[in-house]
Amino acid sequence: AQKVTQAQTEISVVEKEDVTLDCVYETRDTTYYLFWYKQPPSGELVFLIRRNSFDEQNEISGRYSWNFQKSTSSFNFTITASQVVDSAVYFCAQFTGRRALTFGSGTRLQVQP
Amino acid sequence: DSGVTQTPKHLITATGQRVTLRCSPRSGDLSVYWYQQSLDQGLQFLIQYYNGEERAKGNILERFSAQQFPDLHSELNLSSLELGDSALYFCASSAGTSDADTQYFGPGTRLTVL
Repeated sequence: AQKVTQAQTEISVVEKEDVTLDCVYETRDTTYYLFWYKQPPSGELVFLIRRNSFDEQNEISGRYSWNFQKSTSSFNFTITASQVVDSAVYFCAQFTGRRALTFGSGTRLQVQP
Repeated sequence: DSGVTQTPKHLITATGQRVTLRCSPRSGDLSVYWYQQSLDQGLQFLIQYYNGEERAKGNILERFSAQQFPDLHSELNLSSLELGDSALYFCASSAGTSDADTQYFGPGTRLTVL
C-alpha cells in the first residue's frame, strides 16, 4: 500500500533559521512520483515540486531545496534562511499510477519574526 | 494563482440538505480531481474525471456524486448532508496527457454543515 509519513506535526523556528521538513514514503512500485505542496493560512494548496523515482538528483530553487534518497525512502524539504511568509502547512504527496495523490498528514511550520 | 477556479468559496447549510460545488480547470487541462480535507481524515481523494468520463474513484461516499461537462468544468454534488461532511473541498486539474501529471489545486470550497 502507498503511504506517506510526515512525522513532524508542527515546527516553530525564528526567522533566518534553516528548517528541514521530513517526508518518508512507502511503495512497492518502481515508478512513482513525489510532490510537495504548501498550504498557507489563506487555505489554497500551492504546488512546489515534482520528482520521479528515476531522478535522485537534489533540487534547489532559491531558498528551497529538496533531498530525495531512495535508500531511505525519503524526500525531505529544506528552507534556508526562513521568512515569516514561509509559515504554512506543508504536504508531501506520492503518486504511484493509481490515479490519485496520497498525501501525508502535513507539517505546520511557524516562522517567528 | 493556479488557474483553477472554484465556487462558492464558502457554503453554510443544514443537515439533510444538498449542495453543488463547481470547479473550472486550468485552460487546456482535461483531468479534474476532487479532494476532501478534514481535520480527522486529512486530504483524501474522492474522484477523478478525464474529458467527461469518470476515471478513478477514491473514498467517495454514495451520497456524493460528480460529473464533468463538455466544457470540462466539473460539479461535485453532496446530498443528505451530515455534520461530518463539513470540510474543505478542493478541485485540482492536470493536463491529462499522463496519469502522473502535476495536479494544480483550486482555492477550495469550505463547507459548513450545521
